Amino acid sequence: KAGVTQTPRYLIKTRGQQVTLSCSPISGHRSVSWYQQTPGQGLQFLFEYFSETQRNKGNFPGRFSGRQFSNSRSEMNVSTLELGDSALYLCASSSGSSNEQFFGPGTRLTVL
Amino acid sequence: AQSVTQPDIHITVSEGASLELRCNYSYGATPYLFWYVQSPGQGLQLLLKYFSGDTLVQGIKGFEAEFKRSQSSFNLRKPSVHWSDAAEYFCAVGLVTNDYKLSFGAGTTVTVRA
Repeated sequence: KAGVTQTPRYLIKTRGQQVTLSCSPISGHRSVSWYQQTPGQGLQFLFEYFSETQRNKGNFPGRFSGRQFSNSRSEMNVSTLELGDSALYLCASSSGSSNEQFFGPGTRLTVL
Repeated sequence: AQSVTQPDIHITVSEGASLELRCNYSYGATPYLFWYVQSPGQGLQLLLKYFSGDTLVQGIKGFEAEFKRSQSSFNLRKPSVHWSDAAEYFCAVGLVTNDYKLSFGAGTTVTVRA
């Protein structure tokens, strides 16, 4: 099976812009979670989707949003970008029968 | 408050020596426990997991971890380190009642010297 894929791998944006990141889970996996990784805050949970519904949400402002499509692919959107949004954004998928999550390579977002 | 603690920020070990990375958690019940490894610029790779049962779990790349309920610990070990084991290691926990949200420790960077 192919692993979790994320596009794009690298992204450079300026403050105030918005960005959309994409994640394709492992085939058959219905749960997709998003995490933000920064040197200062480490790995932080953003949100989790299962069957197109958001089931869990972390402590991030409303500028961070996501959605999941019927094929389980997920997108994450960040509006009005701030310098502090520069991070590695990781997507993880799970089959839904256990808590085991498989991570993609991440999207490196740089906000200038 | 619920938390995951990795006390060691950085560990340097000689190639061929043993390695132990510490992880402690603070949760109301026994959570699911994981160890992940991350190479520079890469995503996270699952090394091993503990859900229940035998408290000594074997993982990939020769790693093992032992769950000790009395100490709320889940330490990762490897008997003989290879240069390719240089990476950052993360301990993570997931609540049984709140699946699919992992809380991570701050990570331990492992440097392997020849």
